[in-house]
Amino acid sequence: DIQMTQSPSSLSASVGDRVTITCRASQNIRTFLNWYQQKPGQAPNLLIFAASSLQSGVPSRFSGSGSGTDFTLTISSLQPEDFATYYCQQSFNAPPFTFGPGTKVDLK
Amino acid sequence: QVQLQESGPGLVKPSGTLSLTCVVSGISISSGNWWSWVRQSPGQGLEWIGEIYHTGSTNYNPSLKSRVTIAVDKSNNQFSLNLRSLTAADTAMYYCVTRPFIQNYFDHWGQGTLLTVSS
Repeated sequence: DIQMTQSPSSLSASVGDRVTITCRASQNIRTFLNWYQQKPGQAPNLLIFAASSLQSGVPSRFSGSGSGTDFTLTISSLQPEDFATYYCQQSFNAPPFTFGPGTKVDLK
Repeated sequence: QVQLQESGPGLVKPSGTLSLTCVVSGISISSGNWWSWVRQSPGQGLEWIGEIYHTGSTNYNPSLKSRVTIAVDKSNNQFSLNLRSLTAADTAMYYCVTRPFIQNYFDHWGQGTLLTVSS
């Protein structure tokens, strides 16, 4: 199976900060990479699919980039509602689908 | 508006079997979607368990395949998960999830149901 790693595992940031989260795949997955946001007590919510396509209804401050093995999720200006845990998920040659371990973004 | 709602027992004894149901509303389960189960252990990440199409075609995570059965009930617009030979390691939040047929992302999630495996 394809393994996913994320860095950092957690970060502290302030409202208005630019935040970047990295996801790495254990092999080339082209652009078969999705990003989710999970708030405490809630299910994950799709933000980005196919590495860089913004899901309908997701604010434009969220963006994704990358291909192959290295991907990034960027929040251009962190808002109070963005404090959450973010997961990447690969779908190359899936199933099985695999998720990264998550990056928790909290208030500095 | 697509909605998924899980239901289950909450507590199951070790070596027992988990049975969960996901009721789907706002879309026919016979539409062009795959219907999945994903779980999340307390404080841990997300693990895809398996999925089913309305034709009955299934895909399972190899790590769980020997213990899992997913079934579809088109007449009630729902699908189900059976997980056998439970251990404490199966304690988790279980989500039912869907993805469009030709897409590989999960765009609708249920709120989740917590399973505890304990005697």
